[in-house]
Amino acid sequence: AQSVTQPDIHITVSEGASLELRCNYSYGATPYLFWYVQSPGQGLQLLLKYFSGDTLVQGIKGFEAEFKRSQSSFNLRKPSVHWSDAAEYFCAVVPYSSASKIIFGSGTRLSIRP
Amino acid sequence: EAGVTQFPSHSVIEKGQTVTLRCDPISGHDNLYWYRRVMGKEIKFLLHFVKESKQDESGMPNNRFLAERTGGTYSTLKVQPAELEDSGVYFCASSQSGTPGTGELFFGEGSRLTVL
Repeated sequence: AQSVTQPDIHITVSEGASLELRCNYSYGATPYLFWYVQSPGQGLQLLLKYFSGDTLVQGIKGFEAEFKRSQSSFNLRKPSVHWSDAAEYFCAVVPYSSASKIIFGSGTRLSIRP
Repeated sequence: EAGVTQFPSHSVIEKGQTVTLRCDPISGHDNLYWYRRVMGKEIKFLLHFVKESKQDESGMPNNRFLAERTGGTYSTLKVQPAELEDSGVYFCASSQSGTPGTGELFFGEGSRLTVL
């Protein structure tokens, strides 16, 4: 079945440490890939997206993600986290360009240790 | 410019009652989407409006849910009668483009529904 998997429910990292959030998808072709963030009291915000081309994608707030076709992965990274990065992060896919719906993963909650 | 606005932010009702959630999209956005997150699980698509027409309602769970978008502006999502499993956070999103694959969706903060 088609799915998006975020294996880590909750991650805690120290402020200033590097971060990697994992995402794997299960689709026949390369879908459109997204990372969203939901900070407390706010709506979902798009961090970055991958459609085609360079497999390393830069996003807002210093985040980047790398698409690896061989691993069906789209992991999110940040070299040095800030306390304000504490939030819930969602990996998502759109199976093809004309699809109406976004398929979300179950989310990873990120806590920052002072 | 105002973002996507949802009301109420939190609603607590008893099983069997009716609740209506409202979404005001960004002005000029023809595309409006409803999503739902139940019990900390994944966020799931409910339906997609293009102006006042339902483009895709394949995610609506059952006929207790009724979504409308009269005049192609704001939208309402009514749950009648509410059941315990309807508890969750209901997100609304809007976009100028027709699909998430071609344009960015802007999400509201969500309406949290608790059914007791």
